[in-house]
Amino acid sequence: QVQLVESGGGVVQPERSLRLSCAASGFSFNDYAMNWVRQAPGKGLEWVAVISYDGTNNYHADSVKGRFTISRDNSKNTLYLQMNSLRAEDTALYYCARGSDQGSSGWTALDYWGQGTLVTVSS
Amino acid sequence: QSALTQPASVSGSPGQSITISCTGTSSDVGGYNYVSWYQQHPGKAPKLMIYDVSNRPPGVSNRFSGSKSGNTASLTISGLQAEDEADYYCSSKRSSTTPHVVFGGGTKLTVL
Repeated sequence: QVQLVESGGGVVQPERSLRLSCAASGFSFNDYAMNWVRQAPGKGLEWVAVISYDGTNNYHADSVKGRFTISRDNSKNTLYLQMNSLRAEDTALYYCARGSDQGSSGWTALDYWGQGTLVTVSS
Repeated sequence: QSALTQPASVSGSPGQSITISCTGTSSDVGGYNYVSWYQQHPGKAPKLMIYDVSNRPPGVSNRFSGSKSGNTASLTISGLQAEDEADYYCSSKRSSTTPHVVFGGGTKLTVL
């Protein structure tokens, strides 16, 4: 079965960096676009970034552009999110989610999600 | 980037039907048939319930249906059950300088 397991979260000071990982299994990882979505405590969902199946295209939300970078290693079935210049408002549970291959929505419909890794930015 | 607009809460009794709206603009909901709906129970990851406005993934109950008119999408849940109590989020592709996904603020469904 499809499994997505995030790791790398923790408590970090403002302006520091952190790298999140998402280990995928149970499907052909290199056939699917992958996304990061975050959820601040008690708040709604916010899309963060997407990367194409082969890593050649990626897009980031305006709120993280220039600070966060999504990447993937298909040989390791792993998705990454490099987070630099972290701010208090980046505090959230970070989910990795697979872009669907069904219908027209493609990568914009997220059909499998991990359980998330918590990032807390605090001095 | 502002989120899509959803009601903060809706409620219904078991067996009834409810509808959750999701209002955007011509740059997102109105411009694409790429609307999805997610269900999230407390402490759990979101689950895809509807994609492409009205399609259900395998395993999702046919009590869940989606539609769209203009810039507003809707999720209808018929035959409400206690297990439907959860938060629901809509999302859509949004045109921009680069492709984006935008979520709604979420709707808390209470089954009375």
